[in-house]
Order: sequence, then C-alpha cells, then structure tokens
Amino acid sequence: GAGVSQSPRYKVAKRGQDVALRCDPISGHVSLFWYQQALGQGPEFLTYFQNEAQLDKSGLPSDRFFAERPEGSVSTLKIQRTQQEDSAVYLCASSLDSGANVLTFGAGSRLTVL
Amino acid sequence: AQSVSQHNHHVILSEAASLELGCNYSYGGTVNLFWYVQYPGQHLQLLLKYFSGDPLVKGIKGFEAEFIKSKFSFNLRKPSVQWSDTAEYFCAVSPSNSGYALNFGKGTSLLVTP
Repeated sequence: GAGVSQSPRYKVAKRGQDVALRCDPISGHVSLFWYQQALGQGPEFLTYFQNEAQLDKSGLPSDRFFAERPEGSVSTLKIQRTQQEDSAVYLCASSLDSGANVLTFGAGSRLTVL
Repeated sequence: AQSVSQHNHHVILSEAASLELGCNYSYGGTVNLFWYVQYPGQHLQLLLKYFSGDPLVKGIKGFEAEFIKSKFSFNLRKPSVQWSDTAEYFCAVSPSNSGYALNFGKGTSLLVTP
C-alpha cells in the first residue's frame, strides 16, 4: 500500500488480557520497527526486523512482549497479560533499506489497559 | 547510554516569529540525526536529516537544522513560522555504525498563534 497501515487504531483491554497489534508496512520495505510512545513522551524503540529476521529486541520491556514478522512483510506485536503500564500508542515504521534511516511511520495503535 | 535532550517542551509563538528548537545528544561516535514532525491528527513524518557533509541541512516547509559536532547539538530553525507549523517536533539520533535503534527526544509542542 501507499503507507504503513496499523490495526486496530484503538484497543481497550482489561488488565490481564492478551492483545495483538498488526502492522502492514510499505510493500518491499526491508526494515520494520516497533516503538512505544507513552503520553507526553517521545517514541521508545522496542524491536527491529530486517525482512523476517528479528535483529534487535533489546527494547521490549518484558517477556510479555513478543513480535514476529514471519514472511518478512506483515508484523504482529503481541502483549500477554496486559498491565496498566502497557497503556501507550504503539507505532510501527518501515524503511526501504536496512537500518534506521528514513522511516515511514504508521498512525499507531492506541492501547488502553483498564 | 545514548540519550537525546530537547530543551523546550512547550513553545508558543506568534505567526512570523522566528523559531529555534534545541536538541542535544550524548553519544561519542558518529551519528545520524533527524527531526520528525507530527501535525495534529497525522502520522510522524520526516522533516529533515543529517548523515554527513554540509552541517547545515534544509528540510521541507522552510525548516533547517545545523549540526554542531563540538556541542553535540542539532538545533531546528525556521525564520518565520506559520500557523500551520503548529505540531509536535521530535529530534532523533541513531549511531551511524549500527543504525537499528532510532532514539527520540521527548518532543517539543509548538503552538503558533495567528
């Protein structure tokens, strides 16, 4: 598609529920990134994929967070047993080349955990 | 650890005023530098970037930024702001030799009044 598409745009979960957030990057983009943006903060790096390989997951805050990109295109960020501190906007970005050069961001998925 | 500091969290200017937003980073090696902008209701988008060469870089919509290596700074400037420049501005840094994680500052919210 023309841009990075994320779904759902808004998600409300009860504490303890599992959630899955989807990212559909620009077709042909090699790199895919997930960021977490808390209210009033800048985006914080979570994880990076080059094609289907997850090359960096150092930003994932706990083992409740898991991301995959099995065919090197669509990616899913899964959060298990959600906690209130997981409430944030989750941003996906992609770039044509490897590495964090010029990123195209999606609109984000706003997660609210009650 | 690498960090990015944006000095002003909220800036209010009248139309036609000049703008300068500060950005400093802490990283000893070679870096790539970016300014991203998020207009109300829109995605994060790239405003300008510096990889190497002329330290004065020009971006879209009349913005420019100057990389001063000795000061670890990459300040954003615009000689005359418009109401349409109202947005959130984020400075971001990635190491040149391992550009996986793009590290963002906390952002500066700019309000331009008519």
